[in-house]
Order: sequence, then C-alpha cells, then structure tokens
Amino acid sequence: DAGVIQSPRHEVTEMGQEVTLRCKPISGHDYLFWYRQTMMRGLELLIYFNNNVPIDDSGMPEDRFSAKMPNASFSTLKIQPSEPRDSAVYFCASSLQAQETQYFGPGTRLLVL
Amino acid sequence: SQKIEQNSEALNIQEGKTATLTCNYTNYSPAYLQWYRQDPGRGPVFLLLIRENEKEKRKERLKVTFDTTLKQSLFHITASQPADSATYLCALGSNYQLIWGAGTKLIIKP
Repeated sequence: DAGVIQSPRHEVTEMGQEVTLRCKPISGHDYLFWYRQTMMRGLELLIYFNNNVPIDDSGMPEDRFSAKMPNASFSTLKIQPSEPRDSAVYFCASSLQAQETQYFGPGTRLLVL
Repeated sequence: SQKIEQNSEALNIQEGKTATLTCNYTNYSPAYLQWYRQDPGRGPVFLLLIRENEKEKRKERLKVTFDTTLKQSLFHITASQPADSATYLCALGSNYQLIWGAGTKLIIKP
C-alpha cells in the first residue's frame, strides 16, 4: 500500500481565498483523522470520521473550516475564507480502529499571506 | 483540566548512551499510550503502544514503561545513534481519540 496520500504538499494562498486539502486514507481503514500542527499548539485534532461519517468535529476552529468524506477513499478539508492564522501543517491520518495505530500522511504545509 | 506534558526543551545525548524521554499526564485515565517519532517535514510514525495493564514493552532498542499510579510513561532508546535524532510524541488513548503531547526533540551527538 502507498500509505496515506495528501495533496497538495505545499500551498501558498492569499487571505480570503478558499483552500482545499485532500486525503486518501489507507485502503480498509475505517477511521480518518484531520490534524493541524503548529509550533505554538502542537498537534491538534480537528475532526475524525468513522466509515465516512463525521464523529467528532469539536476541534474544528470555526465555521470557516469544513470537512467531508464522500467515500471510503477520499476526504477533503476546506477553509473558506482563509486567514493568516490558518498557516500550519495539516495532517491526515487513518487507522483500522479508533484507538489503534494511526498512519499519517506527509502533510500539507499551508501558508496564508 | 486535562494535560499532557513532555520535556519541552531539546534533549542532547551522547551517541551510545541511553536516551530517556518522559510523558506525564493529569486528569486522564487512558486505556493505552502510544509513542511516535516525527522527523522534520514528515508526519508522525508509530513506534510502540502500551496498554494500561502492561508495565513495560520492548521493541529492539526501544523500551516503554507505563505507570498509571504515577501517571507517567518513560520512553528509552538504548545504544542511541545519530539517526535516532528526531522529535518524539506521546499520545494517550481517551474517548476513542488520541490526545497528543507537544513532543520532545532528541539530539544524539556523535
């Protein structure tokens, strides 16, 4: 398996623009997690899905953030409109079970100017 | 409030020595604890998982202990090598999620 795939790897955008981050989990994994990592706050869970259904989105910062998982092999995290404080590395991870090993993608490094 | 603490400052260890990293937590009763390694520009990579009923777990040069009374986990790397230099994150299993520590940067000097 290729592991968790994320795209794009780097994104530079201007404040106010819409940003869409994409993730393909490992095949057969029922859980998908979106994280944000910054120097100040470390690794923060934004939202996670079980069998394509959002289970807990309490970590989503505000209404500007939304996430979808239309099928078992694809998820998106959208920020609209983006702000400079959204600059961070966004990771997608997947696992077989909620409390088991999580496999992380390479991350998307987002810079909002 | 719930809190996970890892050594905030970088840990410098001489090659060949044992590196010991600490993960302390408060106000949790985790069923298990995981340790991950993260290299610059990459996502965390799983290393070891230890459950609440296990005192110690080993994998090659790695050893993890879990003391639910002290609310602490120790992560040891024996015979450390410069290639072990990375940031190490602990994560507690709580309510079907992983709660992450901020990580400790480990530097192994040749």
